[in-house]
Amino acid sequence: DGGITQSPKYLFRKEGQNVTLSCEQNLNHDAMYWYRQDPGQGLRLIYYSQIVNDFQKGDIAEGYSVSREKKESFPLTVTSAQKNPTAFYLCASNRGTLTDTQYFGPGTRLTVL
Amino acid sequence: QKEVEQNSGPLSVPEGAIASLNCTYSDRGSQSFFWYRQYSGKSPELIMFIYSNGDKEDGRFTAQLNKASQYVSLLIRDSQPSDSATYLCAVKAGGFKTIFGAGTRLFVKA
Repeated sequence: DGGITQSPKYLFRKEGQNVTLSCEQNLNHDAMYWYRQDPGQGLRLIYYSQIVNDFQKGDIAEGYSVSREKKESFPLTVTSAQKNPTAFYLCASNRGTLTDTQYFGPGTRLTVL
Repeated sequence: QKEVEQNSGPLSVPEGAIASLNCTYSDRGSQSFFWYRQYSGKSPELIMFIYSNGDKEDGRFTAQLNKASQYVSLLIRDSQPSDSATYLCAVKAGGFKTIFGAGTRLFVKA
């Protein structure tokens, strides 16, 4: 089955720790995205990547880092510099054209203890 | 700052009625418009997309776009309790970035 997978589904982090969220797709999509969703708010773009070994900051990149070493994978690291990381994190992908919709993974819910 | 605005709701309609969800956007250069449905705790799933002015119908769903007035709407006919969810409007102006609204919560009463 083609699709996007994210792991883990739930993640708990202690203050001061870095954590990495996994995102993998087998849709052969060039573009991948990371969003953050807080209760009652829309999706806010953290980082996006149009092609392997290239990525750009979104609207709220501070405290986050990414890599794109493979077309299929786009992991997100939430660093200790992110002051309020508790949120629902969504990974998405598409072909990257203007009219192409984004397909979302199931999400990771991160909670800081 | 490019914005997409939606009424947060909740919008409550009886089963079988028409639900009307509205969205306005600020960037006149916007070219692609999407409606996603999101159940609580789940990821968004695409309902409709529309690129041209006018109406686009898909089953019980109709998307309406008016670029001159900068609004896009979603009509859900014969609303069912399973339609109860948050509906996200998303707008793409160009490039790779898509701007999402905060969503409208819809509640369909059985």
